[in-house]
Amino acid sequence: DARVTQTPRHKVTEMGQEVTMRCQPILGHNTVFWYRQTMMQGLELLAYFRNRAPLDDSGMPKDRFSAEMPDATLATLKIQPSEPRDSAVYFCASGLGSNEQFFGPGTRLTVL
Amino acid sequence: AQSVTQPDIHITVSEGASLELRCNYSYGATPYLFWYVQSPGQGLQLLLKYFSGDTLVQGIKGFEAEFKRSQSSFNLRKPSVHWSDAAEYFCAVGAWGSGNTGKLIFGQGTTLQVKP
Repeated sequence: DARVTQTPRHKVTEMGQEVTMRCQPILGHNTVFWYRQTMMQGLELLAYFRNRAPLDDSGMPKDRFSAEMPDATLATLKIQPSEPRDSAVYFCASGLGSNEQFFGPGTRLTVL
Repeated sequence: AQSVTQPDIHITVSEGASLELRCNYSYGATPYLFWYVQSPGQGLQLLLKYFSGDTLVQGIKGFEAEFKRSQSSFNLRKPSVHWSDAAEYFCAVGAWGSGNTGKLIFGQGTTLQVKP
């Protein structure tokens, strides 16, 4: 049963620390998305990649967030330095062409 | 610009009653349309999708949705709700054609509460 995996599932850290979230897309999928979900803002698209190339990262605060795909099986989202307002659930999703996206279980980040 | 509106933020229905969740979209070309469900603490799961053809689409868990181009709507329905259907539901629209990047625009979501 192919699925998107994300690690860690939960992360508690202190303000100013670096946070790295990882995502393994479904094998063969060529598009990867990073979303952030909060009660106030709902589901926000942060960045997405096609064939490992970034297509759009306009939803991401550039000064502290970065997203990469070192290879086709790994996508990373990094926050440095983290701030309390970054506390949220971060979802990764992958897809293949037809817009249908498969979501991972999310990383719940708490920044103290 | 593409947009999706889910007019109802919160809906409460009794178990066994019928359900309709509304979704309106704005998109100039032929849209791809989706409904996702998110249970507490979980990721989003695809319920159903419309790409083309029959405007009434069937999904998992007994859900269906009808695409109405004249009303720019894609409402989700279920004839008899179960307590396990309590969750948040998201409608989404995607692009069609050469500009297709795989990007989806999501609505704000509708939270469904089911009364016993």
